[in-house]
Amino acid sequence: GIQVEQSPPDLILQEGANSTLRCNFSDSVNNLQWFHQNPWGQLINLFYIPSGTKQNGRLSATTVATERYSLLYISSSQTTDSGVYFCAVERRAAGGTSYGKLTFGQGTILTVHP
Amino acid sequence: DGGITQSPKYLFRKEGQNVTLSCEQNLNHDAMYWYRQDPGQGLRLIYYSQIVNDFQKGDIAEGYSVSREKKESFPLTVTSAQKNPTAFYLCASRLELRGNTIYFGEGSWLTVV
Repeated sequence: GIQVEQSPPDLILQEGANSTLRCNFSDSVNNLQWFHQNPWGQLINLFYIPSGTKQNGRLSATTVATERYSLLYISSSQTTDSGVYFCAVERRAAGGTSYGKLTFGQGTILTVHP
Repeated sequence: DGGITQSPKYLFRKEGQNVTLSCEQNLNHDAMYWYRQDPGQGLRLIYYSQIVNDFQKGDIAEGYSVSREKKESFPLTVTSAQKNPTAFYLCASRLELRGNTIYFGEGSWLTVV
C-alpha cells in the first residue's frame, strides 16, 4: 500500500511563530487532505488539496503531486492551533481512478505556548 | 443540524463481550468509513462502504463486523475476537467513494477491562 510520512513528529512554538509541516507520500494520489485533531479527538478538515495551493486565513497548503509531497504552513501561530495535524492521501489506481481508501500519516504534534 | 453522529461517546466493556458502536449521518453521503486510532498513532481503516448492502474490509478488519442496511447508518461491532479493542473509533463519510472531502464524527472511546 501507499506510505505516508509526516515531519516533524513534534513541534513546539511560541505564540506568533510560523511553521511548516511536511507530508511525503510514496505513490500517485487522487486526493490529499489535511486535518487538525483537537484535544477532544475531533478531526477538523483544513484542506482538500490533491494539487496546487490553497489559503484559508493564517493557514495555507501546497501539494506538488509530481514530487509526491505536500506542505502545510501555519503563520502567526496561536495557542488554539495546538493539537495533532494529519495528512491523508488516496492512492491513484490504474486508469486514473482510485481505490476509495484514505491512508493517514502518523501526524505532527504541535504545541504552541503563550 | 447536518453531520455525523457517533454514540456512545464513552463505552466500558468487559473482556469477551461484543460491543456495537453507532454511526448515523444526515448528509446524504453514499460512502461511509470506520477508522481506529491508538494513542499517539494515526488512523487505520477498519471497514468502508460505498453503497447500501455493500462493504469492504480495510487494513485491520479482523475482529470487527459492520452492516449497511440503510444509507444513513453504518454500525460497527467490536467482537470478542478483537485482541486489543481498547481504542478511539472514528466514523466518517463522504459524498462518493472517491476523490472528494471526507468528514468525521466526534469519535467513540472504547475501553475494555
